[in-house]
Amino acid sequence: GIQVEQSPPDLILQEGANSTLRCNFSDSVNNLQWFHQNPWGQLINLFYIPSGTKQNGRLSATTVATERYSLLYISSSQTTDSGVYFCAVGYSGNTPLVFGKGTRLSVIA
Amino acid sequence: ETGVTQTPRHLVMGMTNKKSLKCEQHLGHNAMYWYKQSAKKPLELMFVYSLEERVENNSVPSRFSPECPNSSHLFLHLHTLQPEDSALYLCASSHLLGGSGELFFGEGSRLTVL
Repeated sequence: GIQVEQSPPDLILQEGANSTLRCNFSDSVNNLQWFHQNPWGQLINLFYIPSGTKQNGRLSATTVATERYSLLYISSSQTTDSGVYFCAVGYSGNTPLVFGKGTRLSVIA
Repeated sequence: ETGVTQTPRHLVMGMTNKKSLKCEQHLGHNAMYWYKQSAKKPLELMFVYSLEERVENNSVPSRFSPECPNSSHLFLHLHTLQPEDSALYLCASSHLLGGSGELFFGEGSRLTVL
């Protein structure tokens, strides 16, 4: 099956810093989502981005499907950005999304 | 208010108890999922339902029993669990089954088995 790798596994930032999280996948996809898991465990949808670029406030994401990767940019990080960021991809009609292992982000004041 | 709601949010049970987790989605979706997240482990897909029919069961022990009475509701019945079943159980839904549907999660039910 498809493989999804996220990097880095852990990241510590000073408040106000910028960061880039990466998601590599091993096959063509027709679905890619980024999620943020907050400290209480809920997974929040950030982006549905099988291709192209999207921006939402301080967050933006780019997926280059032909090169099989996606990037999540966080600018001017805040302590509330802390948590785990997951990338999940889908590649066929009846197969559930495949999740990466996540990037654990800690933003320190 | 989220489109997917789970109850209870926290549950403590003994190994001989029987309890149920409930999930309700208000998004008009056709597919619903149960995931398990143990400490420091990746998300594990447990069950998938599409139009109220189970389409995937990832080798989950029989002490976990799902039920999908309609496209808006999903239950996970728990009985004779083990302490290693303590985890965060997440429900999700999507309009379409599988890879092309955007997935939305509930807030999770944190289960502790004593």
